[in-house]
Amino acid sequence: AQRVTQPEKLLSVFKGAPVELKCNYSYSGSPELFWYVQYSRQRLQLLLRHISRESIKGFTADLNKGETSFHLKKPFAQEEDSAMYYCALLIYNQGGKLIFGQGTELSVKP
Amino acid sequence: KAGVTQTPRYLIKTRGQQVTLSCSPISGHRSVSWYQQTPGQGLQFLFEYFSETQRNKGNFPGRFSGRQFSNSRSEMNVSTLELGDSALYLCASSLTGTWGETQYFGPGTRLLVL
Repeated sequence: AQRVTQPEKLLSVFKGAPVELKCNYSYSGSPELFWYVQYSRQRLQLLLRHISRESIKGFTADLNKGETSFHLKKPFAQEEDSAMYYCALLIYNQGGKLIFGQGTELSVKP
Repeated sequence: KAGVTQTPRYLIKTRGQQVTLSCSPISGHRSVSWYQQTPGQGLQFLFEYFSETQRNKGNFPGRFSGRQFSNSRSEMNVSTLELGDSALYLCASSLTGTWGETQYFGPGTRLLVL
């Protein structure tokens, strides 16, 4: 079965500390993975996707097929990073659908 | 380019009623997907439309239905509302809904069923 797991519901760090939001997936095909972020009172927006291999707002994520993981990392957290983060797996079967993890709330304290 | 828009933004209904939500995708996008977001179940896929055809459907009862018009705008209908249908309903659009495409989300319609 296709599944995305984000084991931490809440992650609290201090400003300047490193951050790692965990994401594990279960999928028999070739995965296409995304991180979406939802800031307070804003819409869900794309943060980054594994295919692009880019860094957005200092965040990076590497797909590890051996460990079936796509963890999101940032070396130095900022207060403005506080938000809900969702890891999502795109399944394509005559049309794409996203399978989301439960989300991790990141709280960056001053 | 204007983003994905959804109307209305808020709705209050009572049990047994039906509701229709609307989504206008980004200009040029022909694939529209719908998701339900609740505190307990998180974000769950409802269905996806492309060129007025439903291509994909999630595990929701038949009370949840949708359609897409020739201009790619989409509507979602929920009949015989239940308390558990209270949720944020999100619409997302992409160019063609093919592998690897990014889905762009609207602000959502918050539905409260009393």
